[in-house]
Amino acid sequence: AQKVTQAQTEISVVEKEDVTLDCVYETRDTTYYLFWYKQPPSGELVFLIRRNSFDEQNEISGRYSWNFQKSTSSFNFTITASQVVDSAVYFCALSEGYSTLTFGKGTMLLVSP
Amino acid sequence: DTEVTQTPKHLVMGMTNKKSLKCEQHMGHRAMYWYKQKAKKPPELMFVYSYEKLSINESVPSRFSPECPNSSLLNLHLHALQPEDSALYLCASSRPMTGQGSNEQFFGPGTRLTVL
Repeated sequence: AQKVTQAQTEISVVEKEDVTLDCVYETRDTTYYLFWYKQPPSGELVFLIRRNSFDEQNEISGRYSWNFQKSTSSFNFTITASQVVDSAVYFCALSEGYSTLTFGKGTMLLVSP
Repeated sequence: DTEVTQTPKHLVMGMTNKKSLKCEQHMGHRAMYWYKQKAKKPPELMFVYSYEKLSINESVPSRFSPECPNSSLLNLHLHALQPEDSALYLCASSRPMTGQGSNEQFFGPGTRLTVL
């Protein structure tokens, strides 16, 4: 069975700090897909990234970066120089092959000025 | 256009009412989803439509009735709901799951439902 663990329930930082959101997953499949979504207070889930299990290359998009390590079954998300607009709940999710998304419980990030 | 729209944004209904939630996308996606999300919880999958056919029903009570009239529209008909059904209802769409694997889902802003 697939499982996603986001151990950090809530993180508070001050603007301009770097912050890393942890995601650990469990799966028996060799082919799977990992996702990160952002949910601001407005409620809409915003897709951030999709990564398949065969691509361990880390990715950077502006202030966002993702570190995928199969050896530790982790797919961590770092925000560099955080901003107040980054305040949101962030969900990590896993999908095996043809299956639907399994979400972690989410991490609430609070960035204060 | 990477937008999924949902109406209404807010809905308050009594337990004897019948109402419908609507979702629309124009990205050419052939998979559409309904999720229910309670406060401080992740979204829970309710239904999946693939090519306008219901492919997954996650044991949702019959007081929730989905409908997919065409490839762009998805409805959720509500009848005789309970107060515990109050939640944020999210619609999403994606390219269908194929041999290339699971595709990212794009979500609408949701409908905040309150059942009195």
